Amino acid sequence: AQSVTQLGSHVSVSEGALVLLRCNYSSSVPPYLFWYVQYPNQGLQLLLKYTSAATLVKGINGFEAELKKSETSFHLTKPSAHMSDAAEYFCAVTLGTGNQFYFGTGTSLTVIP
Amino acid sequence: EAQVTQNPRYLITVTGKKLTVTCSQNMNHEYMSWYRQDPGLGLRQIYYSMNVEVTDKGDVPEGYKVSRKEKRNFPLILESPSPNQTSLYFCASSFGWGSTGELFFGEGSRLTVL
Repeated sequence: AQSVTQLGSHVSVSEGALVLLRCNYSSSVPPYLFWYVQYPNQGLQLLLKYTSAATLVKGINGFEAELKKSETSFHLTKPSAHMSDAAEYFCAVTLGTGNQFYFGTGTSLTVIP
Repeated sequence: EAQVTQNPRYLITVTGKKLTVTCSQNMNHEYMSWYRQDPGLGLRQIYYSMNVEVTDKGDVPEGYKVSRKEKRNFPLILESPSPNQTSLYFCASSFGWGSTGELFFGEGSRLTVL
């Protein structure tokens, strides 16, 4: 089975600072990779996805992620944090067959004014 | 508006009392799935369905049943709920798998079993 590891269950950054949320996956071949965001009392929304084209993927709200196959990582970044970025972020993978999605345990982002 | 709708959003029940959480999508998606979200464990897949009358177990199927009689609906059934099924449940759907397999989520159903 696939596994997804998100290092750091809680991350705090100051407003305007760099956001870096880490995600590592276990797979001998790059799976299909996603980042989702969950705002309080809401379902998950797609931030971005890796489509096997460019390894640097741009998403909504200024977020981007880079696939590094040698490190089996797909870290999420944003150059300048905004208060509205406070939420829980989930990394997810699927191999594309069998349709099982595997989610990380999530990282709660706090943005300090 | 394209959406996944779950009902009820909140439910408190007692051990052993059968309940059903409904899920409906209006996007003509083939794929639907159920997840439970627990603190520190992230989202874990309960069941999924690739099309009508086709369902498969996810990672935590024990104590749950599903059915897919129509493309748009995918109810989650707890025949005899127990307190360890207290959780936040999400239904999700997508067109297919792989890079097109972006999941669209419902708003969640918070279930408490006493």
